[in-house]
Parts: sequence; structure tokens; C-alpha cells
Amino acid sequence: DVKVTQSSRYLVKRTGEKVFLECVQDMDHENMFWYRQDPGLGLRLIYFSYDVKMKEKGDIPEGYSVSREKKERFSLILESASTNQTSMYLCASSSPWGGRETQYFGPGTRLLVL
Amino acid sequence: RKEVEQDPGPFNVPEGATVAFNCTYSNSASQSFFWYRQDCRKEPKLLMSVYSSGNEDGRFTAQLNRASQYISLLIRDSKLSDSATYLCVVRPPKASYDKVIFGPGTSLSVIP
Repeated sequence: DVKVTQSSRYLVKRTGEKVFLECVQDMDHENMFWYRQDPGLGLRLIYFSYDVKMKEKGDIPEGYSVSREKKERFSLILESASTNQTSMYLCASSSPWGGRETQYFGPGTRLLVL
Repeated sequence: RKEVEQDPGPFNVPEGATVAFNCTYSNSASQSFFWYRQDCRKEPKLLMSVYSSGNEDGRFTAQLNRASQYISLLIRDSKLSDSATYLCVVRPPKASYDKVIFGPGTSLSVIP
């Protein structure tokens, strides 16, 4: 079974703090994704990575950066947290091989920025 | 127009009922289609892919209508455990690296 883990289930931070969210997958997947999920808006792609040290902006990259130094680990960084970044953050991974294109998600991190 | 649209519901149905959800997509050249399921306060998980010829998995049937640009999910003999949010997922044309677009989801509550 594919396992995607995220460093925290719940996180409370103050405005202006730097926030690190970590995601680790154990299936040697090439692709990794960071989404945020808000009521009524669904999942929106922040950034994704298709290889170590490679990254591409998603639909809402402003205020975020990412890092992928190892294949299994993909980090999301909020450089200076703001209240409008309060959300559920979901990490996912997938492999382009085999044709299924399934994304496997971690359990999510609920971030509250005060 | 949003790229992927769904009726948010909620759909409240009794056990044993048949329920259908539709999802529309804006780009006619979209490549692949999926239904994911998300339980309350849990992560999304793949329910089924949607093939051009339609496909069935037990009580679940998925259909694709390319001419009208919609996909559907039919659930027969609803169970309490089917209560969840159902996310329509579309892979747009020329999408790289498994990038997909998620719809906002349709909420289903199956009532005893």
C-alpha cells in the first residue's frame, strides 16, 4: 500500500511566522503535489514537483515556496504566514507509469494562522 | 465558467436508494476522468476511473459523455457507508506530470 505522511495533523501559527509543512511518500513516486482545500472551492494546486529539485507553480503559488531535495520528501513553506492561509493542506504523490495516474493523498494538515 | 463544476448538494437519500451525480468540464479536449471519494475530515481517495465506454464497479457506475462534456456517477442500493463527498477529477489536455483539476465535490448523506 502507498503511504503518504504529513508532518502534522494540526498546526497553529501566528501571522508573520515561517511555516514548514513536510510530506513523505514511500512508493518511489516521481510526482508530488501540494494542494489547499477550502469549503466551496475544492482542492487547488499550489505547487507540484516531477523530480528531485524540480518544481512547477500550480494555480495559487503566491505566498508559498517548495523544496524537494530527496525523491521521497516534498516540503511546503509559507514564508510569512497570513490569516488567509488558514486552510487544510493536502500532499499527494503519483507515478506516471502504469497508466493509472492515481494521486495518493496524505491525511492533511489543518493550519490555523492567528 | 469554472473548469470543473459539480452540484455541491447535499444529497440526502434513504438507504437502498439510487442516486446520481453529474459533473461538467469546460475543456472539450480533456484527457482522463476520475471520481474520488472524500470522507469527512479525511483525505481524498480514488473511487474509480471513468472510461469512454462507461464502467462499473459493484454498485457504482461511471459514464462519460464527451459530446455534452459531462461525467456521471451512479450509486445503486445506497449504504450508510456511502456518505461522503464525491470529487470529480479531470485531466486537462497537454497536462504534464499527472496534473489534474478537482471539482468542488458533491456531498452525499445516506439516511437510515
